[in-house]
Amino acid sequence: SQTIHQWPATLVQPVGSPLSLECTVEGTSNPNLYWYRQAAGRGLQLLFYSVGIGQISSEVPQNLSASRPQDRQFILSSKKLLLSDSGFYLCAWTRQQGGGGYTFGSGTRLTVV
Amino acid sequence: SQKIEQNSEALNIQEGKTATLTCNYTNYSPAYLQWYRQDPGRGPVFLLLIRENEKEKRKERLKVTFDTTLKQSLFHITASQPADSATYLCALEGNYGQNFVFGPGTRLSVLP
Repeated sequence: SQTIHQWPATLVQPVGSPLSLECTVEGTSNPNLYWYRQAAGRGLQLLFYSVGIGQISSEVPQNLSASRPQDRQFILSSKKLLLSDSGFYLCAWTRQQGGGGYTFGSGTRLTVV
Repeated sequence: SQKIEQNSEALNIQEGKTATLTCNYTNYSPAYLQWYRQDPGRGPVFLLLIRENEKEKRKERLKVTFDTTLKQSLFHITASQPADSATYLCALEGNYGQNFVFGPGTRLSVLP
């Protein structure tokens, strides 16, 4: 069966520090991968998605970047965190684009102080 | 621009009753509509998907309807239980996964 792993679960980082969140999927190949952010009491905002290795599409220009160095690995990064980067970050995958349910990871709660 | 609304931010119902959640959208012609459950501090969990040419879909105590004329989906939980308490999100999607967007969610509380 397919599983998605996301870590760390919680993170407290000072303003200006770098960030690296990792997500891996097991049990499938060539998944479509996504990074979402959910601010407190707010909806899910799509940040990046990838349909293949090295292919990254950005939905929202911001302080963050994403990379997909391997088929089932998706990384969210920042060189210098801002206070506004605080939130709940979720990785997700789907097998097909259109008509497939999304499977989400357990999330990373990031607090920038 | 596309807009998705879910009927209320919070909904309280008594255990055993049917919960009905609403998802309305404008400026969109989705090919698919999905419903997810999200518990506090967790990622959303996929529940049901319904296609634009389907009127209704059921899964155990869950029922989803999709009216593309009204631009509305209804999500029903029959014989609700306190364990059904969570935030429920609807999401719309185009034919090839484009324009995938989540609604703001409705927080359902089932009272014993």
